[in-house]
Amino acid sequence: GAVVSQHPSWVICKSGTSVKIECRSLDFQATTMFWYRQFPKQSLMLMATSNEGSKATYEQGVEKDKFLINHASLTLSTLTVTSAHPEDSSFYICSARLVQNEQFFGPGTRLTVL
Amino acid sequence: QQQVKQSPQSLIVQKGGISIINCAYENTAFDYFPWYQQFPGKGPALLIAIRPDVSEKKEGRFTISFNKSAKQFSLHIMDSQPGDSATYFCAASIGGADGLTFGKGTHLIIQP
Repeated sequence: GAVVSQHPSWVICKSGTSVKIECRSLDFQATTMFWYRQFPKQSLMLMATSNEGSKATYEQGVEKDKFLINHASLTLSTLTVTSAHPEDSSFYICSARLVQNEQFFGPGTRLTVL
Repeated sequence: QQQVKQSPQSLIVQKGGISIINCAYENTAFDYFPWYQQFPGKGPALLIAIRPDVSEKKEGRFTISFNKSAKQFSLHIMDSQPGDSATYFCAASIGGADGLTFGKGTHLIIQP
């Protein structure tokens, strides 16, 4: 149990375009999902908290107009990177909260912006 | 401000040995301390977690030791195997709705 999927697993796009990443909890409902970013050989940094049916909460320094988050159902959250630039290239990982504090992570999405 | 400090940055252990990774936190409001294992190109996988009301938790070969007064917690991997070679992250969070604050990670290599 507690499986989280992400789609796509990797994406390459041109600078200035937008990219959408999906995060799904496959076998449980998650009222809260989280989005993290991980640069090569670095740790995971929390970007935002996504609550079903309400606006996402962004961490300090994360541009909410650039990283659009939608949590339309209890099993799906999406992250859209708008007007992507090469510095947005990173590994984006979502997690879903099962019970209390436990978070289960998706496999990640490798974004490369040319 | 780094709220969770992890050490060592890298660790090499012989097969069958004990791997020990340490973390220290600053925020006394943290009340959940998980450890994650991550392989290259994959998402982190939850290994084991502890809350401040217990000093030790064991699951198979993995043990968390927690020292509330010192604000430190550690992961012990007993009988380390080559398949344990990965990057390990400690983390902490406040309450059930908060995201995780991660340590910088430890790259563990188990030599056969």
